[in-house]
Amino acid sequence: NAGVTQTPKFRVLKTGQSMTLLCAQDMNHEYMYWYRQDPGMGLRLIHYSVGEGTTAKGEVPDGYNVSRLKKQNFLLGLESAAPSQTSVYFCASKRIGGAQETQYFGPGTRLLVL
Amino acid sequence: GENVEQHPSTLSVQEGDSAVIKCTYSDSASNYFPWYKQELGKGPQLIIDIRSNVGEKKDQRIAVTLNKTAKHFSLHITETQPEDSAVYFCAASTYAGNMLTFGGGTRLMVKP
Repeated sequence: NAGVTQTPKFRVLKTGQSMTLLCAQDMNHEYMYWYRQDPGMGLRLIHYSVGEGTTAKGEVPDGYNVSRLKKQNFLLGLESAAPSQTSVYFCASKRIGGAQETQYFGPGTRLLVL
Repeated sequence: GENVEQHPSTLSVQEGDSAVIKCTYSDSASNYFPWYKQELGKGPQLIIDIRSNVGEKKDQRIAVTLNKTAKHFSLHITETQPEDSAVYFCAASTYAGNMLTFGGGTRLMVKP
């Protein structure tokens, strides 16, 4: 099993450009998450999904949109990138159940917005 | 909502020494506290967790303690090795919760 994979690994955008980050998991997990990681601020939740066709806002959702059209995929979109969105983005997934179910993280996507 | 603070932000120890990382949380309803380790260029990985019905849990060289009254929990690594060098994150949630609130992270450096 590949676990959680993220595409692309690294991207440079100009302010105002758009892009989509792809997360895929092959563990048949119900829940999927998008986080951003900034120095000294840990991991902050952007959006999450508790199942195919459902999404919900996390702590820092502004400027991002998500879609979960297939159970194994969770897409994160930036419609008009801003320098403040320069960060490392992590996707995670877990089985259905409470917080004690382990979240499995992907390797991350490093995004630089100029 | 929940707020988790983590200290120190960086920690440097000599190989073989012990390392302690501390976290405090704000929501008294939180009852599940995992710790994640992030190696360079990789995503975080769960290393140990503790639930509010226990005060301490050990797994080889790693232990976690919880003080629910004071709302703080700590990660203890004994006999540190160079491969323990990484960024460590604490987190908090409720059992029924679907979301984890993470601390700011601690960069641990173990010097040979």
